[in-house]
Amino acid sequence: TQLLEQSPQFLSIQEGENLTVYCNSSSVFSSLQWYRQEPGEGPVLLVTVVTGGEVKKLKRLTFQFGDARKDSSLHITAAQPGDTGLYLCAGPGGSEKLVFGKGTKLTVNP
Amino acid sequence: KAGVTQTPRYLIKTRGQQVTLSCSPISGHRSVSWYQQTPGQGLQFLFEYFSETQRNKGNFPGRFSGRQFSNSRSEMNVSTLELGDSALYLCASRPIYSGQGSPLHFGNGTRLTVT
Repeated sequence: TQLLEQSPQFLSIQEGENLTVYCNSSSVFSSLQWYRQEPGEGPVLLVTVVTGGEVKKLKRLTFQFGDARKDSSLHITAAQPGDTGLYLCAGPGGSEKLVFGKGTKLTVNP
Repeated sequence: KAGVTQTPRYLIKTRGQQVTLSCSPISGHRSVSWYQQTPGQGLQFLFEYFSETQRNKGNFPGRFSGRQFSNSRSEMNVSTLELGDSALYLCASRPIYSGQGSPLHFGNGTRLTVT
């Protein structure tokens, strides 16, 4: 089973700060997805990265897929309280299922 | 378009009882997956159904079962509940079964507490 490790596990920052969270694996993934889960809700897809070295931007969020397709990062610029949530990475885990990392719980304080 | 709907939102059960959770996928989506989410283990895959057939199963005991109906709605059942079954159970749908890594659309989950 392919595993995804996310770091840090918890992150608490002030509004306006920048941050980066990581998703790493010893296995190669054909693609990786990032989801955000807010309290009391299910995860919501943010982006899918497919090509090694790919960079995708979603407003203040920048996603990067490693050249070797074993890792990915999410960078948030000028974080806002609305960015608070659990950030999950996920990738194909064989037999069509998706495997998830345990997530990074981000808290942005006003 | 309505999202994935899970019922009930909250459940409290006693050890040894059984429980049935329900999921209605997005209209037109034929694949339904179930995940268990706990603080310690994160999201763990339970099973996936497509066209009323279980296509994939995770590493959970046989007490966990599911089914899918002809209208793509799905139910999962947990029998002989244990304290460790307390978790958020998430249902997710996608349009088709194939497509390695195709994204999932999640419901808001059913929070099960076993006492």
